[in-house]
Amino acid sequence: GAGVSQSPRYKVAKRGQDVALRCDPISGHVSLFWYQQALGQGPEFLTYFQNEAQLDKSGLPSDRFFAERPEGSVSTLKIQRTQQEDSAVYLCASSHKSTSGIFQETQYFGPGTRLLVL
Amino acid sequence: AQRVTQPEKLLSVFKGAPVELKCNYSYSGSPELFWYVQYSRQRLQLLLRHISRESIKGFTADLNKGETSFHLKKPFAQEEDSAMYYCALTPSYSGAGSYQLTFGKGTKLSVIP
Repeated sequence: GAGVSQSPRYKVAKRGQDVALRCDPISGHVSLFWYQQALGQGPEFLTYFQNEAQLDKSGLPSDRFFAERPEGSVSTLKIQRTQQEDSAVYLCASSHKSTSGIFQETQYFGPGTRLLVL
Repeated sequence: AQRVTQPEKLLSVFKGAPVELKCNYSYSGSPELFWYVQYSRQRLQLLLRHISRESIKGFTADLNKGETSFHLKKPFAQEEDSAMYYCALTPSYSGAGSYQLTFGKGTKLSVIP
């Protein structure tokens, strides 16, 4: 079936502009994660949803970052008043079921959105 | 705090030579360890996880709790193994919390024909 999809694939923004990044998880996947990957670094956790509930947003770097998943499916990561340090690849991942068990389900990653802030 | 360290940014080996990608971790509890791979122009994908004890594409990794290591090994490298490799960990059980992955910075493996 279809994997995780993200749009847009590339986004160029002027400093101060607001951007919205979309993630379509695999159908039926309960858990959804956002990661930020700066150049030359590994992905870093931003936030986690279980269905529509945002259970962990400890990785969001500032209050300019906001994520939502209102119907428990598609998620949007919004960055307000973008800064140059926000330039990165933003990855979305989803996994099959609630992470309340003993071992986590495999996370499946989307292709990422490459954001460049000028 | 949990941390994953991959000491090599780049590793070049000749085709047919053995490969070992190093990964060390620090975590106070009992972690679950993973290797993810990203081939050129493809998305990040799971290669293997320690709990499965599988060999995928000839790669194996053994969790050494004493040395807090999870090195990735393959006896004979192939050209198609050239890719970016990330070691990652997550808590084995986090209650109501998330199973966020903590990644290392990655090692780029280049297999020379």
